[in-house]
Amino acid sequence: DIQMTQSPSSLSASVGDRVTITCQASQDISNYLNWYQQKPGKAPKLLIYDASNLETGVPSRFSGSGSGTDFTFTISSLQPEDIATYYCQQYDNLPSFTFGPGTKVDIK
Amino acid sequence: QVQLVQSGAEVKKPGASVKVSCKASGYTFTSYGISWVRQAPGQGLEWMGWISAYNGNTNYAQKLQGRVTMTTDTSTSTAYMELRSLRSDDTAVYYCAREGIAVAGFDYWGQGTLVTVSS
Repeated sequence: DIQMTQSPSSLSASVGDRVTITCQASQDISNYLNWYQQKPGKAPKLLIYDASNLETGVPSRFSGSGSGTDFTFTISSLQPEDIATYYCQQYDNLPSFTFGPGTKVDIK
Repeated sequence: QVQLVQSGAEVKKPGASVKVSCKASGYTFTSYGISWVRQAPGQGLEWMGWISAYNGNTNYAQKLQGRVTMTTDTSTSTAYMELRSLRSDDTAVYYCAREGIAVAGFDYWGQGTLVTVSS
């Protein structure tokens, strides 16, 4: 089974800061990676699919990159409404999926 | 608009079973797959399995094989997830989510159903 790791597990940043989260797969998954945002008490929301494609309606301050085993998720300018936990998800062997452990983002 | 509406919260005793429903509307039900994802209190997301609403094919997470069954009723556009032999560590919020067609991600989610397992 493919294992996913994320770092950091949590971070605090100021409004306007650039925030970067990394996700690593235990084996090559090409670009088969999604990113989700989950706010407390809410269902997750798909932000990025296929590693770097922005889901319709998602603000352009969110972006993703990477392929193979190493991936990056970036918020270019952190906003108060971005406080949430972010999860990566791999789908190298459909229809199986694996989530990363999550990264909690707070405002400093 | 696309909606996935789940059944209400459940409290079960250890060893019992629970069946959660997920009623879809706003799209052609049989054109998409449905995954179930759970989240224990304060923990991350765990993918449980997937079912094709087109032909009923399923794929379950190894960890839950033998305890989980996913089904659909195309006449009512409803997906079901049944979990048996419940344990305390099955206490979680259970979500259904639609897998996109052009996007292999979960583009719509239900509101979640809290299942509490307690003696």
